[in-house]
Amino acid sequence: NAGVMQNPRHLVRRRGQEARLRCSPMKGHSHVYWYRQLPEEGLKFMVYLQKENIIDESGMPKERFSAEFPKEGPSILRIQQVVRGDSAAYFCASSSSGGYNEQFFGPGTRLTVL
Amino acid sequence: GNSVTQMEGPVTLSEEAFLTINCTYTATGYPSLFWYVQYPGEGLQLLLKATKADDKGSNKGFEATYRKETTSFHLEKGSVQVSDSAVYFCALSRKDNFNKFYFGSGTKLNVKP
Repeated sequence: NAGVMQNPRHLVRRRGQEARLRCSPMKGHSHVYWYRQLPEEGLKFMVYLQKENIIDESGMPKERFSAEFPKEGPSILRIQQVVRGDSAAYFCASSSSGGYNEQFFGPGTRLTVL
Repeated sequence: GNSVTQMEGPVTLSEEAFLTINCTYTATGYPSLFWYVQYPGEGLQLLLKATKADDKGSNKGFEATYRKETTSFHLEKGSVQVSDSAVYFCALSRKDNFNKFYFGSGTKLNVKP
């Protein structure tokens, strides 16, 4: 059973470009969480999605950031008009239900904004 | 609100030394508590967890006890190995808050031969 997959693993963008990060949850998992890890810091919650629904986006910046988890395909975290402060590692985690269940983390996408 | 505070690193130990990494939390309700480990360039791996007061989580020689009276979940290992070198994160989640994690800032552990 493949684990959580994220791609790309490394992404370099210039200021003002768009960054698109993908997360494929574990097979059978329909719940996805996105977290951001700034350098030398812990992970901070961004958004929680179920298939076709955003359940909790309380950690998402109000502007430039959006997330989706379509019926088919991976979850996407999109950052428009990136700035240097967006440079971070972005991790997604998946679980099989919204009740208490372990979250399995992907290897992360490391975004560098030049 | 919900938050986790853990001791700052780096922590440097010799092989076979005793390890303690302190973690305290603030939460409303009844959180579950976790320790995750992150090796360089990788994602987080669950090390152990405890879901209610006085529970002890254990795995690979690591232990942590959920202490509600002191709101703590300190990580311990009796004899560390070089392969334990990594960053350790304490975290909490609540069922009534979508199970999203609140992480501490991480503690880097360096174990020298």
